[in-house]
Amino acid sequence: GAVVSQHPSRVICKSGTSVKIECRSLDFQATTMFWYRQFPKQSLMLMATSNEGSKATYEQGVEKDKFLINHASLTLSTLTVTSAHPEDSSFYICSARDSDRVGNTEAFFGQGTRLTVV
Amino acid sequence: DAKTTQPNSMESNEEEPVHLPCNHSTISGTDYIHWYRQLPSQGPEYVIHGLTSNVNNRMASLAIAEDRKSSTLILHRATLRDAAVYYCILRLAGGTSYGKLTFGQGTILTVHP
Repeated sequence: GAVVSQHPSRVICKSGTSVKIECRSLDFQATTMFWYRQFPKQSLMLMATSNEGSKATYEQGVEKDKFLINHASLTLSTLTVTSAHPEDSSFYICSARDSDRVGNTEAFFGQGTRLTVV
Repeated sequence: DAKTTQPNSMESNEEEPVHLPCNHSTISGTDYIHWYRQLPSQGPEYVIHGLTSNVNNRMASLAIAEDRKSSTLILHRATLRDAAVYYCILRLAGGTSYGKLTFGQGTILTVHP
């Protein structure tokens, strides 16, 4: 099956610094990728839709200047958490849609990135 | 988006079948029923999906009610590795939100040895 790879799987950073998370589709092209955030014992919440070659679409309540998304190629989207604070500590997950597959197919998820801000 | 309702938790014994229910009374005619599961500290994993007919794959079976207002995910023989949170999600067939998934709270499945 299709593989989505996230890097890093874990990161610890100091408060006030920025952290970049990468999401790659390894064996398919993805014009659209999605970024989710998951707090402990809660469900996934969609943060934004990343579109290759254009601006990301953010969900209500998500600060676009804090969570910078870049989707510069058909296989890579990045999420940068700027000026991170302890409340940004969470599990960040990306998913990708195979651009070449039509119809109602499954979504492919990365393994997630555990961000801890100290 | 149409909403789904699932029990918060269920328990099963290893090697026994598990039936995970999902209610989606406001489902529209173009909504597909998708199931994903999430193991601890991992991203979600696709399990199965269907529209009207029952579906089978190597992981599970999906039984869809005739009126489509409910569905059941069936794990035929639970293993310890099936312990996870199972999400039942309605997914639009197309349009601008294609690919976007709205996760509910899901069902926490515990499998006892």
